[in-house]
Amino acid sequence: SQKIEQNSEALNIQEGKTATLTCNYTNYSPAYLQWYRQDPGRGPVFLLLIRENEKEKRKERLKVTFDTTLKQSLFHITASQPADSATYLCALGGGATNKLIFGTGTLLAVQP
Amino acid sequence: GAVVSQHPSRVICKSGTSVKIECRSLDFQATTMFWYRQFPKQSLMLMATSNEGSKATYEQGVEKDKFLINHASLTLSTLTVTSAHPEDSSFYICSARDPAGPGNTIYFGEGSWLTVV
Repeated sequence: SQKIEQNSEALNIQEGKTATLTCNYTNYSPAYLQWYRQDPGRGPVFLLLIRENEKEKRKERLKVTFDTTLKQSLFHITASQPADSATYLCALGGGATNKLIFGTGTLLAVQP
Repeated sequence: GAVVSQHPSRVICKSGTSVKIECRSLDFQATTMFWYRQFPKQSLMLMATSNEGSKATYEQGVEKDKFLINHASLTLSTLTVTSAHPEDSSFYICSARDPAGPGNTIYFGEGSWLTVV
């Protein structure tokens, strides 16, 4: 069955450092992969989309890589700030129905 | 920008009653909407895909008679939890695809907290 796993339940880093979050998947060939931010009690907010034929995408302090051979995406936040603290979700999409399937999520805590 | 609105944001209902949650796309027409549920500290689990003018497609393990989905217009989908039980208490989130948006633009609502007592 399809499985999407994200690294460690919680990631604690110091302000100013780069946070790296991992998304691994099995039994799936997504056409694209998305990253979302979710704050407690709120709906997810879209951050970045990367397609299967793209290796890397950047947006301000965010960078996403996509390796379809390794079946892995890495999400980087450079110069992290306490305001970046949230749960980050990866989601895979594509296929006939084009539905979005979410990973388990990683809780990021940036310490001042 | 595009916005998806959910209503109510919080609802408490008695066990055995039904409750309806609305999902609206405010400034675009959504031919496809999705319904998710999320338990505390867990990820979003897709329940069903709602297609305007046709029956919803439910994910495996989701009871279609319990979670009724109606997508009667291009801007509105509703989820009705019938004969609710305490185990149905959860955070329900909808999303809508903007067909005119770049790539596969999907917008999420703010979610609806359902508590069944």
